[in-house]
Amino acid sequence: DTGVSQDPRHKITKRGQNVTFRCDPISEHNRLYWYRQTLGQGPEFLTYFQNEAQLEKSRLLSDRFSAERPKGSFSTLEIQRTEQGDSAMYLCASSLGDGGGHGYTFGSGTRLTVV
Amino acid sequence: GENVEQHPSTLSVQEGDSAVIKCTYSDSASNYFPWYKQELGKRPQLIIDIRSNVGEKKDQRIAVTLNKTAKHFSLHITETQPEDSAVYFCAASVTGTASKLTFGTGTRLQVTL
Repeated sequence: DTGVSQDPRHKITKRGQNVTFRCDPISEHNRLYWYRQTLGQGPEFLTYFQNEAQLEKSRLLSDRFSAERPKGSFSTLEIQRTEQGDSAMYLCASSLGDGGGHGYTFGSGTRLTVV
Repeated sequence: GENVEQHPSTLSVQEGDSAVIKCTYSDSASNYFPWYKQELGKRPQLIIDIRSNVGEKKDQRIAVTLNKTAKHFSLHITETQPEDSAVYFCAASVTGTASKLTFGTGTRLQVTL
């Protein structure tokens, strides 16, 4: 286990379709975060889990977005009825505790293109 | 909520020169300030971080300074090398709670030969 894995790396979908992304964090990390990054911008917080509990969601996370972490290990992010504005890089990160001592470890992201 | 501003948006320096990137934050409760380097098409990687109980931290050619009173912090890179070329993001968070990071908008650093 060398890092945070995200799958797929790239996803092209037609507007209105549903997509699901997967994140596998570093195994001993209990916190898992989802961020979204658009071109030329910094990552924006979407939601985070501590173990299997989803503890906070950003206002950016509309009703079309849902995230789960059923067993406190991997997580999925689903976007329903995709819109062109959903096109972005979706980054997953994990940390042990609050990460303040060692920061987050980010995955390589899933780049979503909605056409 | 927290707001982090970052300047400049682009920075071009000659190899061997120093580069300075500045950030300000709005939430006085923020106490953890990491810096990430992101190369094109790659993941953000933590390069240095600082907590609010420290004014300065150095790691080889990279240093970060923090002024809590003014609510700003800066990244200093000395003796820049071409491999330093990347986008750099500052961030702020309140540890002990959600610890979600609020990022700046990034600085594209170009180190020219």
